[in-house]
Amino acid sequence: KAGVTQTPRYLIKTRGQQVTLSCSPISGHRSVSWYQQTPGQGLQFLFEYFSETQRNKGNFPGRFSGRQFSNSRSEMNVSTLELGDSALYLCASSQNGLAGSGETQYFGPGTRLLVL
Amino acid sequence: AQSVTQLDSQVPVFEEAPVELRCNYSSSVSVYLFWYVQYPNQGLQLLLKYLSGSTLVKGINGFEAEFNKSQTSFHLRKPSVHISDTAEYFCAVSERGGGSNYKLTFGKGTLLTVNP
Repeated sequence: KAGVTQTPRYLIKTRGQQVTLSCSPISGHRSVSWYQQTPGQGLQFLFEYFSETQRNKGNFPGRFSGRQFSNSRSEMNVSTLELGDSALYLCASSQNGLAGSGETQYFGPGTRLLVL
Repeated sequence: AQSVTQLDSQVPVFEEAPVELRCNYSSSVSVYLFWYVQYPNQGLQLLLKYLSGSTLVKGINGFEAEFNKSQTSFHLRKPSVHISDTAEYFCAVSERGGGSNYKLTFGKGTLLTVNP
């Protein structure tokens, strides 16, 4: 089975621009989560999607948004980019996103975003 | 809300030496526990997880971890490390039961550097 894929792998943007990142989950997985990884804050949860619905959201401003398509692929959008948005953005998929069952999340390689 | 503390941000060791990476967690409910590894320029890979049963969990690449409920710890160990184990290691928790939201809370990570 193919793993979680993310595109693009690297991205350079300037302040004020917007960016869209894409994530394709493992086949059969319906839950997709997004995380931001920075040296200072570590890994922080952004949001989780299941069956095209956002079910869970972390403490990020409204500039961060996402969506999920009927084939479970997900996109994340950041508008009005700030320097502090420079980070590695990781996508993870799981079959049903069931926290209560200890389901494993499988991570993609990430998209490294640099904001100048 | 749960939290995870990885007590050491960096652990340097020599090849073939034993290593222990420490993780403590805090939660008002029972949790599932995970260790992930991140190699340079890659996403996170699951090493092992504790769901229930035996408190000693064996994972990939010769790693094991022990769940200690009274000390709220989940330390990761390997009896003899290799150069290839150089990576960043993340401890994570998710809360048991209740709802279908999926959120992993990560520690800040421990950079393991294995020297020849």
